[in-house]
This record gives sequence, structure tokens and C-alpha cells, in this order.
Amino acid sequence: DIVVTQSPDSLAVSLGGRATINCKSSQSVLYTSNNKNYLAWYQQKPGQPPKLLIYWASTRESGVPERFSGSGSGTDFTLTISSLQAEDVAVYYCQQCYQTPLTFGGGTKVEIK
Amino acid sequence: QVQLQESGPGLVKPSETLSLTCSVSGGSVSTGGNHWSWVRQPPGKGLEWIMSFSDTGSTNYSPSLKGRVTMSIDTSKNQFSLKLNSVTAADAAVYYCVNWNGNYFDYWGQGALVTVSS
Repeated sequence: DIVVTQSPDSLAVSLGGRATINCKSSQSVLYTSNNKNYLAWYQQKPGQPPKLLIYWASTRESGVPERFSGSGSGTDFTLTISSLQAEDVAVYYCQQCYQTPLTFGGGTKVEIK
Repeated sequence: QVQLQESGPGLVKPSETLSLTCSVSGGSVSTGGNHWSWVRQPPGKGLEWIMSFSDTGSTNYSPSLKGRVTMSIDTSKNQFSLKLNSVTAADAAVYYCVNWNGNYFDYWGQGALVTVSS
């Protein structure tokens, strides 16, 4: 199984500040035949289901604000919120869809400092 | 826009079977390329994928739940269902029905809270 590890568990960022969340997979999730990393990022607010933000490690889902960006390849990935807004307070999860069992990171709680 | 909605009992007794149904609207469970799936989230905890079932009959299970869990698809009702048997308190969670398009989870239901208690 691919183990997905996120860090930190939580972080507090000032409004307008930058939030950076890391995600590491225990093996590469890069599918070499199409050069795509099967790594997705989701945002979950209290009482709501997760919402897809980023897929293929760096492709922003339609309607997701540009302040959200994903980067990385292979086993190491990052989600960056460039200018934190109040509505971005949430738990963020990364997930590998490279192979089953599909696995999620443990989540990172983002709060306002 | 595809929409998913879970339904089923919110309370299940220990050792009994948890049964949930997901109704799909705005799309068809028969559409190729979709892997209809279930994900759960214990209160205050993270996300756990349970299983996925595709229109071709391909089925994938979480190793920790394989043997206790089954899925079925009812194309006439445009629904799919989950059954988890021999439940314990550890199975208490919000259960989400989700679509996995082979690349990522694009559509999620609102979730159904299931409590396990006698």
C-alpha cells in the first residue's frame, strides 16, 4: 500500500499570508506513460464533504481560486495558498489515486493567526 | 452536474449489517469510466476509502474491510449501495458516496452519519 504522509498537522497563518502544506507518498505516484502524478488535494470545511481543489498534482479544478496551487512530482508534493482568506479555514487532505488501495494523508488544519 | 445523495439507517446495532444507498442524479451509473465508491470518516478523524465498483464490474476493496463489505449497482434506479456486515463501534462514521473517475474523486455526496450502538 502507498502511505501518504502530510505535514504539518496544523498551521496558523495571518490573513493574506502564505500557507504551505506538504504531502509525501511512500512510493512514486508518477505514471510515466502519460507523465501525470496521480495526486489530488481536497478542502473540507466543518459539516461538509471534501471538495476537490487540485488534481494531477498541479491542475486546478474549475472554479478554484488562483491562490491555490499545487506542485511536486514523484513522491513529494506541496499545496500552497498564496494569500490566505478567511474562507480558506478548513482541513486539507492529499490523496494518491495511483493504485488501490486509494489512500489519503492524515489532513492539515489551517487556521487564522 | 452529477449529484450524489446517501440514504439509509443512521443507527445500526453491533454485529448487524450497515446498509447505505447512493442515488445519482445528473448522470448515469452506467456511464463508462466511472468507479462508484464509498469513503468514510470517523467523527473528528480523517478520510478512509472503503471500496470502488466500476460499470465494467471491476471491484477494488480496502484491505482492512475486504471480506465484510460489498457493493451493488441498480441501473434501473440509478443507484448504488454499500453493505458492511458485523459492524462494531469502530465502524461509526460519516459515510460518503463518491465518484472516482480513474484520476481523482470528482463528485461527493453530502454524507450519512452512521452510529453503532445497541
